[in-house]
Amino acid sequence: QQQVKQSPQSLIVQKGGISIINCAYENTAFDYFPWYQQFPGKGPALLIAIRPDVSEKKEGRFTISFNKSAKQFSLHIMDSQPGDSATYFCAASSAREYGNKLVFGAGTILRVKS
Amino acid sequence: DGGITQSPKYLFRKEGQNVTLSCEQNLNHDAMYWYRQDPGQGLRLIYYSQIVNDFQKGDIAEGYSVSREKKESFPLTVTSAQKNPTAFYLCASSSHLGQYFGPGTRLTVT
Repeated sequence: QQQVKQSPQSLIVQKGGISIINCAYENTAFDYFPWYQQFPGKGPALLIAIRPDVSEKKEGRFTISFNKSAKQFSLHIMDSQPGDSATYFCAASSAREYGNKLVFGAGTILRVKS
Repeated sequence: DGGITQSPKYLFRKEGQNVTLSCEQNLNHDAMYWYRQDPGQGLRLIYYSQIVNDFQKGDIAEGYSVSREKKESFPLTVTSAQKNPTAFYLCASSSHLGQYFGPGTRLTVT
């Protein structure tokens, strides 16, 4: 019930291409869905987040698509660049649960080839 | 210059010794968290605290302890009871805008 399943485990994309990472959840109480970007040896950085009242959110080259009925959400990176090469984590939390704890996916290692 | 600081960046200890990892934030966030990250894996929650003088166990609290005497500080002690302490430890704090991470401490126990 608490899991967030993330796929693929790794992804190789050509420079200029679109990177797509998918996540699925079971807990219908989740109401906040962030994506994090992590470079080796660094802490994760909050990239973009969405709440279930909208189906899409775009910030620059990064877009979250959210499908409430399917309990799925995805990150799209348009015009992928070598500097986007990092590990990406999806996460989810529920304001109804004490602590507003994030449940993380296992991560996707993205490599953008120049 | 607001943010979350963790010190030290690298820490080496002998097996059987307790070690305390520092986490300080000047973001005025009420909530703070400790995570553990192992190579090629996601983040696992160790402890979290919503307010001063109160904290809760996360998914993998065994072998760890914390304190929250000040809003700005949430130190984590890795005790000798933790069977496999070598890992990358991440501290985070959160507001209604999101959860933000520190730079991490890489602990190596030999």
